[in-house]
Amino acid sequence: QVQLVESGGGVVQPGRSLRLSCAASGFSFSTYGMHWVRQAPGKGLEWVAVIWHDETNKYYADSVKGRFTISRDTSKNTLYLQMNTLRADDTAVYYCARGGRVTEGHLDCWGQGTLVTVSS
Amino acid sequence: QPVLTQPSSHSASSGASVRLTCMLSSGFSVGDFWIRWYQQKPGNPPRYLLYYHSDSDKGQGSGVPSRFSGSNDASANAGILRISGLQPEDEADYYCGTWHSNSETPWVFGGGTKLTVL
Repeated sequence: QVQLVESGGGVVQPGRSLRLSCAASGFSFSTYGMHWVRQAPGKGLEWVAVIWHDETNKYYADSVKGRFTISRDTSKNTLYLQMNTLRADDTAVYYCARGGRVTEGHLDCWGQGTLVTVSS
Repeated sequence: QPVLTQPSSHSASSGASVRLTCMLSSGFSVGDFWIRWYQQKPGNPPRYLLYYHSDSDKGQGSGVPSRFSGSNDASANAGILRISGLQPEDEADYYCGTWHSNSETPWVFGGGTKLTVL
């Protein structure tokens, strides 16, 4: 079955960096786009970024543009989110979600999430 | 860019049918969008329910019961999630989402509706 497992979260000071990983299994990772979505404590969902299956397109939310970078390693079936210059309002549970084969897709499968806390 | 507006809360009795709305901001037509719906229970990740674009272009998530269905209300410029035969386990937060490639932030979620089953 499709499985997405995030890792890399933790407590980090403002201004520092963190890299999240999302290990995918149970489907042909190389043929699907992948998204990152976050959820601040007690708040709603906020979309963060997407990468196309062939890496030809990457899109970001305005709130993270220039600070976060989405990437993938098909040989490892792993999605990444490099987060730089972290701020307190980046504190959230970060989820990876499966996109589509050609377009953005439906975010039809989600991981359990990894918590990032930005605090001094 | 489009904004999706959802009522913050809704309540209904067990066994009833509910319509959860996802209103698209002015300047955009709901018929031009693919509206996705997600269910989230406390402490769990979101679960994909379905998408709706038109009666000929819609899809159900894997394992999602048919009592969950989608539609559009053109007069309200809104996507609709209908849940029939409401069950206690349907109590959850429900989010809509859509993609607009011409926007600075191409994917947007609505703020979510907390559904309470009485």
